Amino acid sequence: GDSVTQMEGPVTLSEEAFLTINCTYTATGYPSLFWYVQYPGEGLQLLLKATKADDKGSNKGFEATYRKETTSFHLEKGSVQVSDSAVYFCALSFREYGNKLVFGAGTILRVKS
Amino acid sequence: DAMVIQNPRYQVTQFGKPVTLSCSQTLNHNVMYWYQQKSSQAPKLLFHYYDKDFNNEADTPDNFQSRRPNTSFCFLDIRSPGLGDAAMYLCATSRRPGQGYQETQYFGPGTRLLVL
Repeated sequence: GDSVTQMEGPVTLSEEAFLTINCTYTATGYPSLFWYVQYPGEGLQLLLKATKADDKGSNKGFEATYRKETTSFHLEKGSVQVSDSAVYFCALSFREYGNKLVFGAGTILRVKS
Repeated sequence: DAMVIQNPRYQVTQFGKPVTLSCSQTLNHNVMYWYQQKSSQAPKLLFHYYDKDFNNEADTPDNFQSRRPNTSFCFLDIRSPGLGDAAMYLCATSRRPGQGYQETQYFGPGTRLLVL
């Protein structure tokens, strides 16, 4: 079945460091891809998305590019802040299957000042 | 602001005592979802409604039921909670996916369920 694999955490960075969180997927067909962020004690917030190959999603300094050839959607940010500390989930969905989200296991990011 | 609201934020119940979690939305979205998220795990879809059409995931236990009396409200009923049902329960909504575009899911803050 469809699945998403994320790099294991926690990822610990100093403020202003460069961030990469790897995400790869396995799916039959071409899903839409998402990054959601979850702050402590809260629900999930959409961070960015891409719906077709070579699309780049971006928001709040975060970016991810839909790479069909490598089935990847890696999350990057040039300079992280303490406020970026959260859990990041990569996910996929197919419109044909009711828009249901399939999540990766999540990656904890900790940013130190 | 349009949003997804979940009440209560924290719910304590006893082993075997039925409990209901609620979700409401002001987005007027067609689709509502319930996810279960256990500690340090990814959210797992339990079921979803397309308008009034109920769609259960194959591996959702029978202990979990849902009701959607109108567009704005959706309830999650756990008939006989076990210790393993302690988790965060997330409600999400989206518009019905249309031709050629993908609809984003909007999540509520979640209800954390504790089973004693």
